[in-house]
Amino acid sequence: GAVVSQHPSRVICKSGTSVKIECRSLDFQATTMFWYRQFPKKSLMLMATSNEGSKATYEQGVEKDKFLINHASLTLSTLTVTSAHPEDSSFYICSATDRDRSDTQYFGPGTRLTVL
Amino acid sequence: GNSVTQMEGPVTLSEEAFLTINCTYTATGYPSLFWYVQYPGEGLQLLLKATKADDKGSNKGFEATYRKETTSFHLEKGSVQVSDSAVYFCALTGMYSSASKIIFGSGTRLSIRP
Repeated sequence: GAVVSQHPSRVICKSGTSVKIECRSLDFQATTMFWYRQFPKKSLMLMATSNEGSKATYEQGVEKDKFLINHASLTLSTLTVTSAHPEDSSFYICSATDRDRSDTQYFGPGTRLTVL
Repeated sequence: GNSVTQMEGPVTLSEEAFLTINCTYTATGYPSLFWYVQYPGEGLQLLLKATKADDKGSNKGFEATYRKETTSFHLEKGSVQVSDSAVYFCALTGMYSSASKIIFGSGTRLSIRP
């Protein structure tokens, strides 16, 4: 089946620094990737939708200058949390749709970000 | 706007017990409905889906029926196993696929005792 990986799986950083999270589709080409944020015991909240080669579409209330998304290729999207603060600590999950089978989203295992 | 409400967990059952996890939704138009499962340490996986009213999705012994009259999509399994322990998410999209924006419920943690 289609596999999506995320790296790193966990990251701890100091307040004020930037953190980059990678999302890769390992065995398929992803035209669209989604980035979600999950708070403890809460649902996944869609942050943004990114299409390869174009700017990401952000959901209402998500700061695009704080959460930079780059979808430079059909297998890689990155989320950069800029000038991270403790309130950015969360579980970030990406998903991707297969270009050849666009009826399904495949999810990565998530990245746990802790900002001290 | 669209939303999904599912029963809060955690739910703890003994092996071979009957499982029901309730899910109701609010949506305009004709959404597609999904159940996703997240096993410990893994990403979300699509468990089953239904794209129109009265459709029944099924997989791995789990079933859910799209009930438009009650706006529900309850997940059921007749005999659970320890390996079913996971977090289950009810979800919907506004189109006939999950390739568009997904609205998730809050998730229900299920633990099965041997």
